[in-house]
Amino acid sequence: GESVGLHLPTLSVQEGDNSIINCAYSNSASDYFIWYKQESGKGPQFIIDIRSNMDKRQGQRVTVLLNKTVKHLSLQIAATQPGDSAVYFCAARDDKIIFGKGTRLHILP
Amino acid sequence: GAVVSQHPSWVICKSGTSVKIECRSLDFQATTMFWYRQFPKQSLMLMATSNEGSKATYEQGVEKDKFLINHASLTLSTLTVTSAHPEDSSFYICSARGQSGESEAFFGQGTRLTVV
Repeated sequence: GESVGLHLPTLSVQEGDNSIINCAYSNSASDYFIWYKQESGKGPQFIIDIRSNMDKRQGQRVTVLLNKTVKHLSLQIAATQPGDSAVYFCAARDDKIIFGKGTRLHILP
Repeated sequence: GAVVSQHPSWVICKSGTSVKIECRSLDFQATTMFWYRQFPKQSLMLMATSNEGSKATYEQGVEKDKFLINHASLTLSTLTVTSAHPEDSSFYICSARGQSGESEAFFGQGTRLTVV
């Protein structure tokens, strides 16, 4: 089955700096990946997705990079703001969405 | 994006009682719904997948007789925690997906269950 994991449980970033959150996956057949943001006591919120036929996708202040060779994806958040404080999950989707462990992003003033 | 609503947002119940959590897709028809459980400071763990009109498919280790899932319509799925115990206290989250082949699933706001 799919196994999706994150390298770091907590990431502290200075406000205004860029944040990079990493994720590794194990199933090379996975073809669709999603990043979610979860604030305390709430459900996951879709941030950005990427298909396996792409290696980069950009959204508003966010970029997802996919390296299929090493089965790694990352989420880059530009100019991190206090409102970006949350837990970020990567997920791989086949028939169902399997979540990684999560990284808590902490913004330093 | 589409809206998925869960009810209640939180519930406290006594040990041994049953609790029903509803998950509704408000502006689209949900062919498939997923139920997750999340313990504090942990990730979301998939419990089961339900397709409208079919029996739910449970993940390994999830007791189907304890966590009853019903997906009787394209806009409503329910999760009933039967004979709840304190260890069932958790954050339960549903997710809904529209037509088969659509990639994005939309998540409810979650239900905090506390069993005392």
